[in-house]
Amino acid sequence: KAGVTQTPRYLIKTRGQQVTLSCSPISGHRSVSWYQQTPGQGLQFLFEYFSETQRNKGNFPGRFSGRQFSNSRSEMNVSTLELGDSALYLCASRGTSGLLDTQYFGPGTRLTVL
Amino acid sequence: EDKVVQSPLSLVVHEGDTVTLNCSYEVTNFRSLLWYKQEKKAPTFLFMLTSSGIEKKSGRLSSILDKKELFSILNITATQTGDSAIYLCAVPLSRDSNYKLTFGKGTLLTVNP
Repeated sequence: KAGVTQTPRYLIKTRGQQVTLSCSPISGHRSVSWYQQTPGQGLQFLFEYFSETQRNKGNFPGRFSGRQFSNSRSEMNVSTLELGDSALYLCASRGTSGLLDTQYFGPGTRLTVL
Repeated sequence: EDKVVQSPLSLVVHEGDTVTLNCSYEVTNFRSLLWYKQEKKAPTFLFMLTSSGIEKKSGRLSSILDKKELFSILNITATQTGDSAIYLCAVPLSRDSNYKLTFGKGTLLTVNP
């Protein structure tokens, strides 16, 4: 099976712009979660989507949003970019909603905000 | 507040050394603990631990969970330069069927030749 894929891999934006990141989960996986990774804060949960519904959201401002499509692909959008949004954004997928089902991560999108 | 704490935050060893990485947690409704290895980009899954005292092993890596004392350790024997990475510990949290992984800050392991 192909793994989780994310596009683009690298992105450079300026403050005030908006950005959309894309994630394709492992085939058959219905749950997609997004995480932000920075050197200071480590990996922090953004949100999870399951069957096109956002099920859980982390402590991030409303500028961070996402959606999931019927084929389980997910997009994450960040509006009005700030310098502090520079980070590695990781997407992870799971097959089910069960607690004991492992998450598998994609390679990430490195976002740099200038 | 749920939290996961890893120690040490960084570690430098020589090839052939054995290392022990620590992860302690304070979470409600604990079900499992996961270890990931992150070399350049994607964290790759290593182990999931759900039961106390049972060691999970894969080659030179092994891990064990102590649910009474609320911690897990990850051991790497006969380290190689390819073991250099950030090792992440995570606990899935679930409330009302909502799921998220709470991660520790990670341990940066550097293995020198």
